[in-house]
Amino acid sequence: DAGVTQSPTHLIKTRGQQVTLRCSPKSGHDTVSWYQQALGQGPQFIFQYYEEEERQRGNFPDRFSGHQFPNYSSELNVNALLLGDSALYLCASSLVGQLYNEQFFGPGTRLTVL
Amino acid sequence: GNSVTQMEGPVTLSEEAFLTINCTYTATGYPSLFWYVQYPGEGLQLLLKATKADDKGSNKGFEATYRKETTSFHLEKGSVQVSDSAVYFCALTRIQGAQKLVFGQGTRLTINP
Repeated sequence: DAGVTQSPTHLIKTRGQQVTLRCSPKSGHDTVSWYQQALGQGPQFIFQYYEEEERQRGNFPDRFSGHQFPNYSSELNVNALLLGDSALYLCASSLVGQLYNEQFFGPGTRLTVL
Repeated sequence: GNSVTQMEGPVTLSEEAFLTINCTYTATGYPSLFWYVQYPGEGLQLLLKATKADDKGSNKGFEATYRKETTSFHLEKGSVQVSDSAVYFCALTRIQGAQKLVFGQGTRLTINP
């Protein structure tokens, strides 16, 4: 049973560039959430996708956008990168209807903006 | 809004010591509560959970009890091992639906042999 996978593992970009991160959910899951974890901090919720639509969004600017595909995989796009976007980006999957919302996390993509 | 406050780290203990990491929360309604663990270079793993008041979550020798009266969910372990060295995150979410997790800032734990 494959868990949550993310690609790439590491990424280095320069300010102003655009980046796309990818996530495949755990088998049987239909919901994908994205989190940003700055160094030394707890993860912060970016947004969540279900049925190919953004279902909920955290306090992040419109530079952060996403997409969910029919196979439930998801992408996170960040435009006009800033130095402050350097972080570990975590993807988590879950199944709608679960009583206590257990989310399974991938290993993350570490983004460095120079 | 919902928030989680964790005991500030880092915490350094000797092997076989007793561990407590404090966690308190602020939330509307009755959230579910979680402890996640992050080993170096890895993502988050669910350690334990509790979904209602007075529930006790437990896993791998770790325990935490959902205390509604004190809005707390402290993590405990009777005898820690070097392999327990990691960062621990307390988190909450609403009970129903696939809702967002709200995390504390994390507590780095180091166990010395």
